Amino acid sequence: KQEVTQIPAALSVPEGENLVLNCSFADSAIYNLQWFRQDPGKGLTSLLLIQSSQREQTSGRLNASLDKSSGRSTLYIAASQPGDSATYLCATSTIYNQGGKLIFGQGTELSVKP
Amino acid sequence: DTGVSQDPRHKITKRGQNVTFRCDPISEHNRLYWYRQTLGQGPEFLTYFQNEAQLEKSRLLSDRFSAERPKGSFSTLEIQRTEQGDSAMYLCASSLYGSTDTQYFGPGTRLTVL
Repeated sequence: KQEVTQIPAALSVPEGENLVLNCSFADSAIYNLQWFRQDPGKGLTSLLLIQSSQREQTSGRLNASLDKSSGRSTLYIAASQPGDSATYLCATSTIYNQGGKLIFGQGTELSVKP
Repeated sequence: DTGVSQDPRHKITKRGQNVTFRCDPISEHNRLYWYRQTLGQGPEFLTYFQNEAQLEKSRLLSDRFSAERPKGSFSTLEIQRTEQGDSAMYLCASSLYGSTDTQYFGPGTRLTVL
């Protein structure tokens, strides 16, 4: 059974700092891994998707890495801004359902202070 | 095409009543997913469709829940005899299987059962 864990549950940093959010998953037989952002009371916004054959993906100030052997993914945010404040969720799908349902972690609530 | 839409955005109902939610996916997407999210938790998978076929349903989903996607386009999620424990945000997502597989989420329907 796939389980996804995100540590820490909450993080507060000053503006301009580079930061790393962590995600770990129990079953390495993943199909892909997605990182999402969620603002309070809103739906999820897709940030990055990494296929199982890939090691990393980049979009602007965001870089996500994937290490299947250790069961870990990280989301690196460069030069953080107050507008980055949100909850960040990682989720995996497995090869057993070929990219069907996503299993989510509980999220990391990020606060970037001006 | 502006993305995944959900209706209504908010629903308040009394315990024991039936409710129905609608989701309109991104038009060319063949997969449609339903998730439920409670406060402070990551989304939890409920069910998903590929075209008209319901491919998987969570074991956590009781018989009071039913979902349809009759023509492979929009989907409805019905909850019969609502209970206070059904209060949550219900999220819909869609994806194009065989392409990027990125799941795009709608804004959600917040259900409150009194």
